Amino acid sequence: LAKTTQPISMDSYEGQEVNITCSHNNIATNDYITWYQQFPSQGPRFIIQGYKTKVTNEVASLFIPADRKSSTLSLPRVSLSDTAVYYCLVVLFSGGYNKLIFGAGTRLAVHP
Amino acid sequence: EAGVTQFPSHSVIEKGQTVTLRCDPISGHDNLYWYRRVMGKEIKFLLHFVKESKQDESGMPNNRFLAERTGGTYSTLKVQPAELEDSGVYFCASSQGGASYGYTFGSGTRLTVV
Repeated sequence: LAKTTQPISMDSYEGQEVNITCSHNNIATNDYITWYQQFPSQGPRFIIQGYKTKVTNEVASLFIPADRKSSTLSLPRVSLSDTAVYYCLVVLFSGGYNKLIFGAGTRLAVHP
Repeated sequence: EAGVTQFPSHSVIEKGQTVTLRCDPISGHDNLYWYRRVMGKEIKFLLHFVKESKQDESGMPNNRFLAERTGGTYSTLKVQPAELEDSGVYFCASSQGGASYGYTFGSGTRLTVV
């Protein structure tokens, strides 16, 4: 499974756009990129997933360049409640069998 | 739709005792996973069930850990006997499987072995 590298921490202010970039140089053809969010005392929560180009949902956007060696999670107009740890993962889906390999994640702190 | 439920939310036991953690996945989810985070470490995969069968148990640390999934519904993770290094947060997750589905995690069980 491809290893991911992302910043350990980031700081932002309410109302700003936050972009967290993750590198996954060894991503394989069948791998997907997925992001999870985790608040203290809770389990990780699925945010968004993509294979290539751009994916957008009600929470975030995910940008994946053509070579797929990196991806950027974009959180528009963050609020204090977006303070959490964000994990970038590369997941191989094959016949319904897959497992997530977590790294250290990026600890995002949103300030007033 | 009910989420993934884990019980208990906290457990404090003495070294050498036995503890059983329970996970109720989302109804209809064939895939059930156990993960854990020990102090200061990353979240680590323990094992994966597909229905009642163990698909991958490569992350189980040793034979003191036993996971079961009766009838492909809820799952239990038993630690016997517990050691100090087993302290951490144990997460359960379930998914429908397939490329378009993410995992849904429970809130975890915080296990403290003293």
